[in-house]
Amino acid sequence: QVQLVQSGAEVKKPGASVKVSCKASGYTFTSYYMHWVRQAPGQGLEWMGIINPSGGSTSYAQKFQGRVTMTRDTSTSTVYMELSSLRSEDTAVYYCAREPTTVTTLDYWGQGTLVTVSS
Amino acid sequence: QSALTQPASVSGSPGQSITISCTGTSSDVGGYNYVSWYQQHPGKAPKLMIYEVSNRPSGVSNRFSGSKSGNTASLTISGLQAEDEADYYCSSYTSSSTRVFGTGTKVTVL
Repeated sequence: QVQLVQSGAEVKKPGASVKVSCKASGYTFTSYYMHWVRQAPGQGLEWMGIINPSGGSTSYAQKFQGRVTMTRDTSTSTVYMELSSLRSEDTAVYYCAREPTTVTTLDYWGQGTLVTVSS
Repeated sequence: QSALTQPASVSGSPGQSITISCTGTSSDVGGYNYVSWYQQHPGKAPKLMIYEVSNRPSGVSNRFSGSKSGNTASLTISGLQAEDEADYYCSSYTSSSTRVFGTGTKVTVL
């Protein structure tokens, strides 16, 4: 069965960076795109960007350009999302979510990773 | 890219039907048949309910249906049940090849 298992909660200080992982299993890793979506406490969903695990190409939301980097490791079927220059407004649950190449939607989601930014 | 506009809350009694709207622009909702709907219970990850405007994934109840007219997409839940109480988000592909989510709607079963 398809599973996206994310790394555990993080607490970071303002100005630091955080790197969240998402390990995929149950399907061919390089055949599906992966997105990152975040949700601040009590707020809605916010799209951050997409990575193609096959070639590693990425596309980021303008809001995060210059601060976010998405990478992948095909040997472990894992994608990573690194966010730098953290500020308190980045406190949120970060989700990875899979997109099939044949259908434009997010069909499976990770369990989420809480990142808390606090001095 | 501005978030798609959804009503903050919608409520209904068990057995009734409710409809949630999702309004965007010709650069997102109106320009593509790539609207999805997600259900999110408190503390849980979102779950896909509708994709490409009106398609239901395997395992999703046929009480959920989607449609679109112009720049507005809609999710209808018929035969409302207590388990349908959750937050619902629409999402669309955009002309910039990005994705945008709606503001979210809290569904309350009275």
